[in-house]
Amino acid sequence: KNQVEQSPQSLIILEGKNCTLQCNYTVSPFSNLRWYKQDTGRGPVSLTIMTFSENTKSNGRYTATLDADTKQSSLHITASQLSDSASYICVVESGGSYIPTFGRGTSLIVHP
Amino acid sequence: DGGITQSPKYLFRKEGQNVTLSCEQNLNHDAMYWYRQDPGQGLRLIYYSQIVNDFQKGDIAEGYSVSREKKESFPLTVTSAQKNPTAFYLCASSIDGGELFFGEGSRLTVL
Repeated sequence: KNQVEQSPQSLIILEGKNCTLQCNYTVSPFSNLRWYKQDTGRGPVSLTIMTFSENTKSNGRYTATLDADTKQSSLHITASQLSDSASYICVVESGGSYIPTFGRGTSLIVHP
Repeated sequence: DGGITQSPKYLFRKEGQNVTLSCEQNLNHDAMYWYRQDPGQGLRLIYYSQIVNDFQKGDIAEGYSVSREKKESFPLTVTSAQKNPTAFYLCASSIDGGELFFGEGSRLTVL
């Protein structure tokens, strides 16, 4: 069964600090891995996509990594801002399937 | 602007009533989805549709029904058979199972 596990479940940091969120997956066949950001009471929005051959990709203060051998991904947030407070969801797409596999998300709270 | 519109944003229902949540997209996407989100839990798939006039059950389809008569529209009916319908409902679309574009969600509360 395809699964995506995220850690930590929740995280509280001070504004300006860095943090790293983790995602482990067992999805086959693997196609892409996406990180979504979901603000409270809103729909998720895609932050970044990682394909099988990519190791690192940045989107502003967000940097995603992918290790396809160990089936792990991380999302690093640099110099956090209050607006980074949200749930971050790891989603893995499987080749030939219309149904991606969702992780439960990491809830990030940034305190001033 | 292209996007997905869900309505209503908030909905209250008495026990035993059916309610229908609207989802419209103007992205020209073939695939559409309905997810349910409960506090502290991930998104769970209710129904999805890859093409007009066709839809498939997801992991938690019991107590829900959908239709896909037009490419742009994918309404979800929460029936009285759904025993615990209070939740946040998200509609999404995609071109071919890739990036999902979500609506703003509908929060259903059973009184």
